[in-house]
Amino acid sequence: AVQMTQSPSSLSASTGDRVTITCRANETFNNYLAWYQQKPGKAPKLLIYAASTLQSGVPSRFSGSGSGTDFTLTISSLQSEDFASYYCQQYYSYPLTFGGGTRVEIK
Amino acid sequence: QVQLQESGPGLVKASETLSLSCSVSAHSISSGYYWAWVRQSPGKGLEWIGSVSYGGATFYNSSLTSRVTMSVDTSQNQFSLKLTSVTAADTAIYYCARGGGDYTAFNIWGQGTMVTVSS
Repeated sequence: AVQMTQSPSSLSASTGDRVTITCRANETFNNYLAWYQQKPGKAPKLLIYAASTLQSGVPSRFSGSGSGTDFTLTISSLQSEDFASYYCQQYYSYPLTFGGGTRVEIK
Repeated sequence: QVQLQESGPGLVKASETLSLSCSVSAHSISSGYYWAWVRQSPGKGLEWIGSVSYGGATFYNSSLTSRVTMSVDTSQNQFSLKLTSVTAADTAIYYCARGGGDYTAFNIWGQGTMVTVSS
């Protein structure tokens, strides 16, 4: 199984900060990598697919990059509504696997 | 817009079978896509349970294969999950989602339903 390791597991940041979350896989795969945002008590929401393609309706301050085994989610200027948990996920091979998550908290 | 809605018992006794359904609106299941179940134990991360195609092909998480059955009911435009011999470790929020096959991310999610396994 492709194992996805996210870092950091949590971070504290202020509104306006640039935030970067990393996801590393234990083997290479085509860029079938997604990022999700989850707020407390809510279902996850797809932000980015194919490593760098923004899902329709998602603000442009979110971006994704990377290839091979290393991928990054960047929030260029953190907004109050962005405080949430974020998960990466590979959808290249079964079993589909998620990273452990990154909680973005208010500093 | 496409919406998914989970339904089923919120409480299941240990050793019994957990059964959930996911109703799909504004999209015909038979027109395409894979359909999936993902769960999240309290305070934990996300775990893919399995995916089923509109034609009924299934893929399951190897950790649950022996206990999981997923199926599609195109006449009702819904798909379902059965998980047998449940234990406290199966207590979680269960989400249905569109995607999880044919190199498609989970692009639409249900709101989730909490299932508690009682002893």
